[in-house]
Amino acid sequence: EAQVTQNPRYLITVTGKKLTVTCSQNMNHEYMSWYRQDPGLGLRQIYYSMNVEVTDKGDVPEGYKVSRKEKRNFPLILESPSPNQTSLYFCASSAWTGGNYGYTFGSGTRLTVV
Amino acid sequence: ILNVEQSPQSLHVQEGDSTNFTCSFPSSNFYALHWYRWETAKSPEALFVMTLNGDEKKKGRISATLNTKEGYSYLYIKGSQPEDSATYLCAFSNDYKLSFGAGTTVTVRA
Repeated sequence: EAQVTQNPRYLITVTGKKLTVTCSQNMNHEYMSWYRQDPGLGLRQIYYSMNVEVTDKGDVPEGYKVSRKEKRNFPLILESPSPNQTSLYFCASSAWTGGNYGYTFGSGTRLTVV
Repeated sequence: ILNVEQSPQSLHVQEGDSTNFTCSFPSSNFYALHWYRWETAKSPEALFVMTLNGDEKKKGRISATLNTKEGYSYLYIKGSQPEDSATYLCAFSNDYKLSFGAGTTVTVRA
């Protein structure tokens, strides 16, 4: 089944404790992206990647890191999480850059930083 | 940050009635306009991707139109059913970024 797999689904952590949210897709998509969703604000792009070893900042990259060492994986790293990073996070992938193909989203990760 | 606005923020519709709502986006450097359906506790799912001015797409009772010159798109739901209750997101692409609106939440009352 074609899918984007995110883990974990739920995570509660403490301020300053490094964490990684994993994202993997099995569709051989070039493009992958991370979004966060906060009430009333819609989905905001954190980082995106157009292919292996090619990443760029989205609209809200502060406090996050990403890597794209393999085509299928695009982990999101929070080196020192803070309470303002409490949010619902989605990973998404697409067959093509330029937005001409629909995105496939993962199931989401609800992160709480206390 | 690209300004993508959706209105209304929410709406209630009686089962069987038709409804529509709007997405407005920058009219310059247009690549594509996406619509997604997002049900509670699930992930957004792609409905339509439109790339040309005047595009019209249809999927069952849901359809969408696109006007890139004036920067708006409409989503229509014909004969609303309870299973149409969801948040509908539009997203605008002008290069490698896809910027989302805050969504229109549709509640269909039986």
